[in-house]
Amino acid sequence: GQNIDQPTEMTATEGAIVQINCTYQTSGFNGLFWYQQHAGEAPTFLSYNVLDGLEEKGRFSSFLSRSKGYSYLLLKELQMKDSASYLCAFLNRDDKIIFGKGTRLHILP
Amino acid sequence: DSGVTQTPKHLITATGQRVTLRCSPRSGDLSVYWYQQSLDQGLQFLIQYYNGEERAKGNILERFSAQQFPDLHSELNLSSLELGDSALYFCASSLGTGENEQFFGPGTRLTVL
Repeated sequence: GQNIDQPTEMTATEGAIVQINCTYQTSGFNGLFWYQQHAGEAPTFLSYNVLDGLEEKGRFSSFLSRSKGYSYLLLKELQMKDSASYLCAFLNRDDKIIFGKGTRLHILP
Repeated sequence: DSGVTQTPKHLITATGQRVTLRCSPRSGDLSVYWYQQSLDQGLQFLIQYYNGEERAKGNILERFSAQQFPDLHSELNLSSLELGDSALYFCASSLGTGENEQFFGPGTRLTVL
C-alpha cells in the first residue's frame, strides 16, 4: 500500500530551529514535495527532492533519504509568519501525488 | 497571487444536486490538477489533466468527473451531492507533469446542506 505520515502539530519559538519529519511507504517513488499552507489559503510550493541529501533554500531546507522512506523540512530563524501547516507529499511512479495530513506549526513569541 | 483562478469562491447547495467548479491555469501551464481538502482527510488528489488528456487519477468518486478543454481551462463536475462532499476544492496547474512545482488556485468552498 501507500501511506505517508507526519506529526499533527508542533510548537516552536520565534528565532529557533524546527524540524518537521515525514515518513512514507510506496512501491514506486519519484520524488517528495513540501508545501506550506496558511490557514484559509492555498498551499504554496517549498521544495521538491528527488535525490538523497539536503537541499537548502534560504531559511528552509529539505532532506530526503529514499532508502529509509524519510524526509524532513528544516526551518531556521523562525518568524511568526511561519505559523502554518506544512504538507509533505510524494509522487509515485503513476504520477499520482499522495499528501500527508499536514503538520500544524505554532510559533510562540 | 498564483495566477490560477477558480470560480466560484463559495457554493452552497443541497444534497442530490449537481455543481460545476471551474479552473483557469496559469498562462503557459499544460497540466491541471484537482484536489479535495477536508478537515479530517487532508489534501486528497482527485485527478490530473495534461494538455487535454487525463494523465493520472487519484481518489475520485464515480459521481465526480472532470475535463480539460482546448483552451486548457478545466471543470470539475460533482453530482448526486452528499453531505460528506462538503470541502474545499483546489485546482492547481504546472508547466509539465507530476514532478513540476504546482501553483494552487484560491479554492472553491463547497457546502452541501
